[in-house]
Amino acid sequence: SQQGEEDPQALSIQEGENATMNCSYKTSINNLQWYRQNSGRGLVHLILIRSNEREKHSGRLRVTLDTSKKSSSLLITASRAADTASYFCATGPVNNAGNMLTFGGGTRLMVKP
Amino acid sequence: NAGVMQNPRHLVRRRGQEARLRCSPMKGHSHVYWYRQLPEEGLKFMVYLQKENIIDESGMPKERFSAEFPKEGPSILRIQQVVRGDSAAYFCATQGGTEAFFGQGTRLTVV
Repeated sequence: SQQGEEDPQALSIQEGENATMNCSYKTSINNLQWYRQNSGRGLVHLILIRSNEREKHSGRLRVTLDTSKKSSSLLITASRAADTASYFCATGPVNNAGNMLTFGGGTRLMVKP
Repeated sequence: NAGVMQNPRHLVRRRGQEARLRCSPMKGHSHVYWYRQLPEEGLKFMVYLQKENIIDESGMPKERFSAEFPKEGPSILRIQQVVRGDSAAYFCATQGGTEAFFGQGTRLTVV
């Protein structure tokens, strides 16, 4: 299986609830990033967490990283209908001179008003 | 990110035709990454180019696909003799440090 696998694949919640998405990866990493993709659009960078960090916050986003378990989670608090999108984790491996990113399959989040 | 420009946004080709996708990186950047996204999947790295050089093409299919980034003009991803399985969204990105900035993508449909 591939580097960077998200679960769940799809998540449907009510506005105001929290949404939690998880990502697992296989190789050693320099950093892990989360991106958002609205339907039919390009990806937008949300947040980056480095391999020596355990938790990071940005507005309503909270990211955790557990390098021992090779996993990360993205929490969106107090969700809004506008948060409806696909969310992808991406890793930048240690031995990657080209800095290309490896993406997971994504979590499709639907927030119902 | 508005700084990375891709065109066309949508491209329809019949089986056997050629598809040319263009990408201009953000101002001040002289490199591009091409990624492919199949329906309902994540992005897969294809190729990394700097001006006039292919740095890493480990994700490129062995046949029919090629990429270039000339000294002048945009980067071109070329797909020859397209097949239905080439239908996907193709994204171009540049990186500022570790963060990647993506274009809006070209959605290729092969009919």
